[in-house]
Amino acid sequence: NAGVTQTPKFRVLKTGQSMTLLCAQDMNHEYMYWYRQDPGMGLRLIHYSVGEGTTAKGEVPDGYNVSRLKKQNFLLGLESAAPSQTSVYFCASSSERTAQIEAFFGQGTRLTVV
Amino acid sequence: AQSVTQLGSHVSVSEGALVLLRCNYSSSVPPYLFWYVQYPNQGLQLLLKYTSAATLVKGINGFEAEFKKSETSFHLTKPSAHMSDAAEYFCAVGLSDYKLSFGAGTTVTVRA
Repeated sequence: NAGVTQTPKFRVLKTGQSMTLLCAQDMNHEYMYWYRQDPGMGLRLIHYSVGEGTTAKGEVPDGYNVSRLKKQNFLLGLESAAPSQTSVYFCASSSERTAQIEAFFGQGTRLTVV
Repeated sequence: AQSVTQLGSHVSVSEGALVLLRCNYSSSVPPYLFWYVQYPNQGLQLLLKYTSAATLVKGINGFEAEFKKSETSFHLTKPSAHMSDAAEYFCAVGLSDYKLSFGAGTTVTVRA
């Protein structure tokens, strides 16, 4: 059972470079989320999607863009990476709204921006 | 706005001792509460969740949590720690229709 799969698992970027993180889920979930995890700050929501073709901003959306062209995929883009975006990124999905039903998380992507 | 406070960023316990992780939330209405565990270099895994069915919630790996409305708390406990319990634990509250708000996390180390 794959669940939620994130690629890549590790990446080092130079300041100003761009990249896309891919999240794929095989549970037919409607809702998908991108979080970033920083020491001492827990997880903070970047963007989320409530269905194919929809996206919305979370707590910390600046510097990121997302797309949900297919129900099973949720892409997170960094157009011009900055050192402040060094973090561990987690994708999650849920079958109902996260507030009520558990979210399933990927293994994370560790991004370093130098 | 909903928020979660986890008291203590690090907890160290001896193997076999009680594990107690504290979580307080702020909410004006009954919340949905969760505890997640994160093992090194892994994603988050649900330990247990409170959805108003019962105040004492049992989860996986021998963990349980008690919802106390009067104290706005949802503390996590395990009677006897095992070495495999070493991990980071996150309390989270969900109220709005899309967001989980996470605490800062508590790292548990288990001494042999």
